[in-house]
Amino acid sequence: NAGVTQTPKFQVLKTGQSMTLQCAQDMNHNSMYWYRQDPGMGLRLIYYSASEGTTDKGEVPNGYNVSRLNKREFSLRLESAAPSQTSVYFCASTRIFGGAVETQYFGPGTRLLVL
Amino acid sequence: DQQVKQNSPSLSVQEGRISILNCDYTNSMFDYFLWYKKYPAEGPTFLISISSIKDKNEDGRFTVFLNKSAKHLSLHIVPSQPGDSAVYFCAASASGGTSYGKLTFGQGTILTVHP
Repeated sequence: NAGVTQTPKFQVLKTGQSMTLQCAQDMNHNSMYWYRQDPGMGLRLIYYSASEGTTDKGEVPNGYNVSRLNKREFSLRLESAAPSQTSVYFCASTRIFGGAVETQYFGPGTRLLVL
Repeated sequence: DQQVKQNSPSLSVQEGRISILNCDYTNSMFDYFLWYKKYPAEGPTFLISISSIKDKNEDGRFTVFLNKSAKHLSLHIVPSQPGDSAVYFCAASASGGTSYGKLTFGQGTILTVHP
């Protein structure tokens, strides 16, 4: 099993450009998440998808959109990149069953630099 | 409002000694707590967790203690090894149908174990 995979690993954008970060998991998890990590801030939730066909905002959703393409894939789109979106982005997945919390598994991250 | 706080940005410990990492939370709805370990250029990896129905959970060299009345948890690593040098994140979640497994992270503590 590959677990959670993310592409690309690293990207440089100019202000105003758009891009999509891809995430896929092969653990048959129903819930998926996008976080960003900034120095001194820990990881902050951008968007999540509790199950296939649903998405919802997290703590810092402004400037982002998401698509839950199928059970395996959850993408994050920056429509018009800004320097404030320079960060490391992590995708995670877990199984939610009956309201019980289980461990989230993380991908290796995408490092994004917006100039 | 930082609902999960790790007040020590860094900790330095000698190999073989105990490492104690601390975490405080403010949201009384949190009932599941996790510790993640993160190496540079990698995603966070799950280390150990504890449910609010327990006050202690052990896994090999790692023990997590939970003090619900103080809203405080700690991670003990005994004995510490140089390979334990990493960033440690505390995370919290609330079980139940509307939480969808969302995690709230602390800012992280950089642990350095010296040989």
